[in-house]
Amino acid sequence: DAGVTQSPTHLIKTRGQQVTLRCSPKSGHDTVSWYQQALGQGPQFIFQYYEEEERQRGNFPDRFSGHQFPNYSSELNVNALLLGDSALYLCASSEGLLYEQYFGPGTRLTVT
Amino acid sequence: QQPVQSPQAVILREGEDAVINCSSSKALYSVHWYRQKHGEAPVFLMILLKGGEQKGHEKISASFNEKKQQSSLYLTASQLSYSGTYFCGTRDRGSQGNLIFGKGTKLSVKP
Repeated sequence: DAGVTQSPTHLIKTRGQQVTLRCSPKSGHDTVSWYQQALGQGPQFIFQYYEEEERQRGNFPDRFSGHQFPNYSSELNVNALLLGDSALYLCASSEGLLYEQYFGPGTRLTVT
Repeated sequence: QQPVQSPQAVILREGEDAVINCSSSKALYSVHWYRQKHGEAPVFLMILLKGGEQKGHEKISASFNEKKQQSSLYLTASQLSYSGTYFCGTRDRGSQGNLIFGKGTKLSVKP
């Protein structure tokens, strides 16, 4: 049973560029949530997708956008990258909105 | 509102016990516990959905006091593999699905 997968593993971008991160949920899961984790901190909620719609959003600017596809996979897009966007980006999937979430291995984004 | 975890860090010898607490100022629907090792993703440990619920996972168990909006994670007879940072994630009543995580408790188990 494949778990949550994310790509790429690592990414280095320059300030001002745009980036797209990808996530495939665990088999049987239909809900994807994205989190940003800075070093030494807990994951911080970005947004959640269910039935191809953004259901809830955390306190992140519009530079952060996402999409969910019919096969439940998801993308996170960040425009106009800032140095402060450097972090581990985690995708978590669940069966519906309210149950346990399983995290993928994350994408380490470095903005220089 | 971010839940508050205590202690921030704890050092144990193998075989010792530990308790990690998670407290929220909001009425909670559920509490989720995760362990994260350095450089890895958080690993789901357990979810507590009802007030007073207790769950166990090997020698790790947890309780949820809905009235006090608190949860505690109990680690008994700790093993070296228990080392890592433990996070509680809370979902408050009225929230559709996002989890709010505490700052974590760093647990180090030494031989």
